[in-house]
Amino acid sequence: DIQMTQSPSSLSASVGDRVTITCRASQSISSYLNWYQQKPGKAPKLLIYAASSLQSGVPSRFSGSGSGTDFTLTISSLQPEDFATYYCQQSYSTLRVTFGQGTKLEIK
Amino acid sequence: EVQLVESGGGLVQPGGSLRLSCAASGFTFSSYEMNWVRQAPGKGLEWVSYISSSGSTIYYADSVKGRFTISRDNAKNSLYLQMNSLRAEDTAVYYCARAKVYRGWYFFDYWGQGTLVTVSS
Repeated sequence: DIQMTQSPSSLSASVGDRVTITCRASQSISSYLNWYQQKPGKAPKLLIYAASSLQSGVPSRFSGSGSGTDFTLTISSLQPEDFATYYCQQSYSTLRVTFGQGTKLEIK
Repeated sequence: EVQLVESGGGLVQPGGSLRLSCAASGFTFSSYEMNWVRQAPGKGLEWVSYISSSGSTIYYADSVKGRFTISRDNAKNSLYLQMNSLRAEDTAVYYCARAKVYRGWYFFDYWGQGTLVTVSS
């Protein structure tokens, strides 16, 4: 299976900050990389697919980049509702997707 | 509006069985591939199983292979997960998730609210 490693595992930031989360794949996955946001007690929500395509309805302060093995999720100006846990997911192995371990974004 | 509603979770003893259901509405269920994803308490997301739109292709994570069975009834707009020989490490919230294929890209665009399975004596 393709392993996905996120960094950092947790992050403290303030409203208005620019934040970047990194995801690394154990092998090249082209741009088959998705990002999800999960708030406590809620289901994950798709933010970005195909490494950089914004899902409909997701604010433009979220952006994604990368290809091959290294990817980033950037939040340009943190809002209070953005404090959550973020997961990357590879879909290169379509029928056996794998997730990163998650990055918890907390208020400083 | 797309809705996925899981049910069937609960407390079960080790070695026991449970059947989860996911009722789909608001879209043509028979046209979409579906997945089960779980999340142990305080842990990350773990993909569990995949089923094609027709039900003809099925995959499992190694951690559940031979114990869990995914199925679907397109006439009833429902997805199922039969879980046998349950272990403490199967304790988790189980989500059903719709898979979307768009221009060759594959992602989970809708998720249910989850159902909690607790395996304990």
